Amino acid sequence: DAKTTQPNSMESNEEEPVHLPCNHSTISGTDYIHWYRQLPSQGPEYVIHGLTSNVNNRMASLAIAEDRKSSTLILHRATLRDAAVYYCIRTQGGSEKLVFGKGTKLTVNP
Amino acid sequence: DSGVTQTPKHLITATGQRVTLRCSPRSGDLSVYWYQQSLDQGLQFLIQYYNGEERAKGNILERFSAQQFPDLHSELNLSSLELGDSALYFCASSVGYSNQPQHFGDGTRLSIL
Repeated sequence: DAKTTQPNSMESNEEEPVHLPCNHSTISGTDYIHWYRQLPSQGPEYVIHGLTSNVNNRMASLAIAEDRKSSTLILHRATLRDAAVYYCIRTQGGSEKLVFGKGTKLTVNP
Repeated sequence: DSGVTQTPKHLITATGQRVTLRCSPRSGDLSVYWYQQSLDQGLQFLIQYYNGEERAKGNILERFSAQQFPDLHSELNLSSLELGDSALYFCASSVGYSNQPQHFGDGTRLSIL
């Protein structure tokens, strides 16, 4: 069961950092953590993914705990355009199937 | 723009009918994935094709079928439609190796009357 646990919703203010948590306590050694987001009326959008070490790209940073049982997606300066549902997904082994949960709905206040 | 094109954007039809949804993947991508998003079930993986061959199957009903053609575009066929099939259907594509990003289209909204 590739289950992850996320808060239902979070709020942030524009231009402030946002830390979105994800719990994946039953993760196995070869499972990757992926983050996607879905803006209103759009398809999901890839954000970032990683296995063990922290990852950075132009959109966000991914901090993975040393025991890999949790991770945090970091948006360094939230903008109104970052308001979306963020999904933390665990892929098991070599599977390419994305199993979406309910995600975290992020609201960004101006 | 993800580079994945889905047509049509909207489809309205009646129960018992059959429809075909089309997806053109990003240039260079060999894998195509289909997902269904409904209010009660959320986003669910249906099926994956890689270079013309079925690679993985999810919660796809027997009334639904898909294929990927030599030019790598894919079609999802839905038949004997029921009211509960009303949903957003997304196509995604990737290079086809595990743990590579999937790029999603804007979806086809299917409404069954």
